[in-house]
Amino acid sequence: GENVEQHPSTLSVQEGDSAVIKCTYSDSASNYFPWYKQELGKRPQLIIDIRSNVGEKKDQRIAVTLNKTAKHFSLHITETQPEDSAVYFCAARAGNTPLVFGKGTRLSVIA
Amino acid sequence: DGGITQSPKYLFRKEGQNVTLSCEQNLNHDAMYWYRQDPGQGLRLIYYSQIVNDFQKGDIAEGYSVSREKKESFPLTVTSAQKNPTAFYLCASSIRPGIGAYEQYFGPGTRLTVT
Repeated sequence: GENVEQHPSTLSVQEGDSAVIKCTYSDSASNYFPWYKQELGKRPQLIIDIRSNVGEKKDQRIAVTLNKTAKHFSLHITETQPEDSAVYFCAARAGNTPLVFGKGTRLSVIA
Repeated sequence: DGGITQSPKYLFRKEGQNVTLSCEQNLNHDAMYWYRQDPGQGLRLIYYSQIVNDFQKGDIAEGYSVSREKKESFPLTVTSAQKNPTAFYLCASSIRPGIGAYEQYFGPGTRLTVT
């Protein structure tokens, strides 16, 4: 089955700097790659996703890139703000199988 | 995600007791999921259901049971056979799988503490 690896597990950046979180997946049939943000004690919230027929997608300060050949995808957050501090999860899915999640990255934005 | 509710928010039980966690959705989603979250472990799939009266085991189904008698409801029972039940439990739902990429939304979660 699918296996998703996520790095780093923790990340600290200065406010205004960029943050990059990387994930790799194992199943070449995977075609959907969402990213979730989870604040302490809250539910994971979908922040951006990308389909396998697209190489990059951007939404304001957030962007996701996908390299199908290398089977990895990344989340890029520019001009980080303190409210970006949270745990971020990547996930991957092939066909109608359930999402498989990475173990998460705890991002701390230092003011 | 506002259309998925879980109750209660906090639940306390004594060891050896079964406990049922509620999950309801009014999004007309076909698929529903249960995840367990422990610190540093990410989101691990317990059970999922893609259609009423049918469900499949996830990666950590031992000690749990589910039912899917109605499209809107997918309750999870944590049995006394679950060795370490204290965790944050998240329910999720999505439109019918297999028709393309689809978003999955989460409920607010139930924090279960067993002593």
